Amino acid sequence: DVKVTQSSRYLVKRTGEKVFLECVQDMDHENMFWYRQDPGLGLRLIYFSYDVKMKEKGDIPEGYSVSREKKERFSLILESASTNQTSMYLCASSFRGTGIRQPQHFGDGTRLSIL
Amino acid sequence: GQSLEQPSEVTAVEGAIVQINCTYQTSGFYGLSWYQQHDGGAPTFLSYNALDGLEETGRFSSFLSRSDSYGYLLLQELQMKDSASYFCALCNSGTYKYIFGTGTRLKVLA
Repeated sequence: DVKVTQSSRYLVKRTGEKVFLECVQDMDHENMFWYRQDPGLGLRLIYFSYDVKMKEKGDIPEGYSVSREKKERFSLILESASTNQTSMYLCASSFRGTGIRQPQHFGDGTRLSIL
Repeated sequence: GQSLEQPSEVTAVEGAIVQINCTYQTSGFYGLSWYQQHDGGAPTFLSYNALDGLEETGRFSSFLSRSDSYGYLLLQELQMKDSASYFCALCNSGTYKYIFGTGTRLKVLA
């Protein structure tokens, strides 16, 4: 089974802190994604990566950055945490290819609270 | 812009059939996917429609009509364990960005 592991299930940080969310997948997937999930808004794409050292902005990249130094690891960084970044963060991975059935496999999520 | 709209909540009884609709506005995409998410859990992949028509996977079926910008997920013989949120999603063929719908919370009553 594909395993996508997020480093923390719950995290509490203070405004202005630099926050790191880590995600590791064990299936040699090329694609990795970071989403945030808020009630009534569904999942919104923050950043994605189709290869090592490659990154693309999603729909809501402001206030975030990412790092993909190794194929299996994709990190989300909140440069200076703010209260409006309190949310559930989901990491996902998939094989390369968009024209065919390529399901995304999700981690269990990190519920981040910024105080 | 791009968006996928779903009803926020649907309620049905055990054993019934329920349809969850997804209407979208996008210039081009590869296919429509459906995901299930139980409370506190991760989204899991259910179904994918690359072409128009019906795809069947056990009790679940999914349908796509590109001409109508519309798709749906059909759940048959509902069980209590089907109570969850369901999301439609697509990958934009121009930007390669994945877009998820707003989600439909399904409540199955005994």
